Amino acid sequence: AQSVTQPDIHITVSEGASLELRCNYSYGATPYLFWYVQSPGQGLQLLLKYFSGDTLVQGIKGFEAEFKRSQSSFNLRKPSVHWSDAAEYFCAVGPLFGNEKLTFGTGTRLTIIP
Amino acid sequence: DAGVTQSPTHLIKTRGQQVTLRCSPISGHKSVSWYQQVLGQGPQFIFQYYEKEERGRGNFPDRFSARQFPNYSSELNVNALLLGDSALYLCASSLDAGGRDEQYFGPGTRLTVT
Repeated sequence: AQSVTQPDIHITVSEGASLELRCNYSYGATPYLFWYVQSPGQGLQLLLKYFSGDTLVQGIKGFEAEFKRSQSSFNLRKPSVHWSDAAEYFCAVGPLFGNEKLTFGTGTRLTIIP
Repeated sequence: DAGVTQSPTHLIKTRGQQVTLRCSPISGHKSVSWYQQVLGQGPQFIFQYYEKEERGRGNFPDRFSARQFPNYSSELNVNALLLGDSALYLCASSLDAGGRDEQYFGPGTRLTVT
């Protein structure tokens, strides 16, 4: 069964500092990988996704993520965070074929301090 | 174009009652998925419907049921509510039912069971 681990429950970063959120997945084949962001009281917004090809993926709002097959990781990065980046971030995995569901990690809450 | 809409936004029910949640997908999207997000957790897959047929079901009891209408809107029904059913219920739509298709999430319905 597929699974996603986000080892950091809560991260605090100063505004303007760099950010890296960790995500590890378990899946029998090459999965589809996603990062979503959820602001308080809101639904989920897709930041970026990886299906195949270049292992460094660019997303919206200045985010990027790198797929590392050897480490089963898909970490999210941003070189300089803004106060508006404060939110909950979810990594998710989906199958390469078929119409199965997304499996989400438990999320990482990001706090930005001035 | 309007995004995924869900109604109601919030509702409060008592144990043992039944509830119906509604979702309207993005125009042209034929697949609707339902997720349950308990406070502090990532979303958990409940159902996927495509062209009015159930395409996937998560590990939820039979108290949970859903359907999709000819206009691709969907309803999620939960019978005999338990306190543990309190959660944010998210609806997501996609063009197709394949794993590659991006899912667009609605703002969710916050259900509180007392």
